[in-house]
Amino acid sequence: GAGVSQSPSNKVTEKGKDVELRCDPISGHTALYWYRQSLGQGLEFLIYFQGNSAPDKSGLPSDRFSAERTGGSVSTLTIQRTQQEDSAVYLCASSFLPGPDTQYFGPGTRLTVL
Amino acid sequence: DAKTTQPPSMDCAEGRAANLPCNHSTISGNEYVYWYRQIHSQGPQYIIHGLKNNETNEMASLIITEDRKSSTLILPHATLRDTAVYYCIVLALSGGYNKLIFGAGTRLAVHP
Repeated sequence: GAGVSQSPSNKVTEKGKDVELRCDPISGHTALYWYRQSLGQGLEFLIYFQGNSAPDKSGLPSDRFSAERTGGSVSTLTIQRTQQEDSAVYLCASSFLPGPDTQYFGPGTRLTVL
Repeated sequence: DAKTTQPPSMDCAEGRAANLPCNHSTISGNEYVYWYRQIHSQGPQYIIHGLKNNETNEMASLIITEDRKSSTLILPHATLRDTAVYYCIVLALSGGYNKLIFGAGTRLAVHP
């Protein structure tokens, strides 16, 4: 079946612009995660959605970052007034069960802020 | 969650076993060892996990030492497609959800 999809695959923007990154989780997966991976670095948790519960935003690096999940499915990560340090690959994962072995990742969006 | 230490890179000949080590000397009794890999330009992929006993699945085997302070991921017959960055993490399972936090991992290069 279809996996997690993300769009766009690549985004180049100018410093100060806003960007929106989209994640389409696997159908039926109630949990959705956003992560960030900077060049040569490991994985950094950003935000987690589970059903209709309040999201865990503890990983968002600043108030320029926000995310929403409409209708319990598609999620959008928005970065306002982008900075060069925001350049990274943004990964989305979804899962049906809470275990870490059940998180399925999308291919990511590579964001470059000039 | 306990910190892990992995070599930055390893090489392996195609068809041979790839043995990737991980040190986690401060692991707690309730923390599991998880392995993921990330092939270039793709998202991370779950491989295997274990608590105390050795584990095997269709992808790999996981050998955990008796004192649980280190483990080894074994790819029994490495192929070129196994070239990737391999991440070892330890975490205590939450009944709710689990945030994955990766370090730098081991970059495995499988060559012909």
